[in-house]
Amino acid sequence: GQNIDQPTEMTATEGAIVQINCTYQTSGFNGLFWYQQHAGEAPTFLSYNVLDGLEEKGRFSSFLSRSKGYSYLLLKELQMKDSASYLCAGIDNYGQNFVFGPGTRLSVLP
Amino acid sequence: EADIYQTPRYLVIGTGKKITLECSQTMGHDKMYWYQQDPGMELHLIHYSYGVNSTEKGDLSSESTVSRIRTEHFPLTLESARPSHTSQYLCASSESPTGVAEAFFGQGTRLTVV
Repeated sequence: GQNIDQPTEMTATEGAIVQINCTYQTSGFNGLFWYQQHAGEAPTFLSYNVLDGLEEKGRFSSFLSRSKGYSYLLLKELQMKDSASYLCAGIDNYGQNFVFGPGTRLSVLP
Repeated sequence: EADIYQTPRYLVIGTGKKITLECSQTMGHDKMYWYQQDPGMELHLIHYSYGVNSTEKGDLSSESTVSRIRTEHFPLTLESARPSHTSQYLCASSESPTGVAEAFFGQGTRLTVV
């Protein structure tokens, strides 16, 4: 199977750090991507991991453990504009297509 | 900045009409996708293409069809629209046919069938 699981909603305070977790079935995917999607808009690419470890990109970092089927997106110094859905996506082994998780809706409060 | 465009952005049509949703990209990407997304829900892959003359069905059963006659163009057609087709349709492309490159999304077409 290719199930991808994420928490449905999270809330955090402006200026704080938040970690959004993603778990998936290890046999299904080649790489793990993170996308941001504001309400009513298209997803935009944030980061991806093919190998285990941490990838840092400004205020955003993403981590992958392939053996555990686990990834997380870390957002630092939260800003109000970070309120959005964060989508975890794997690349399936069969058609080499993106399979998206249900997304985590993050609300950043003042 | 992504150069992938969808038209129309919004469309309201009557049941039984035939419609084509347009998607074009100027990045020369071989791989293109169509996703369907209901509000607040996850994206579901309905069609994809590896390149010219290649079209494949995705994970979600769909009554739509696609064509890929030119690299830059990947239109999606509904022969007879129904209220159950009401949704947002997102087109995307990526540089690598094998998938290990980010996908760029168009702004989407929000379709309402009445």
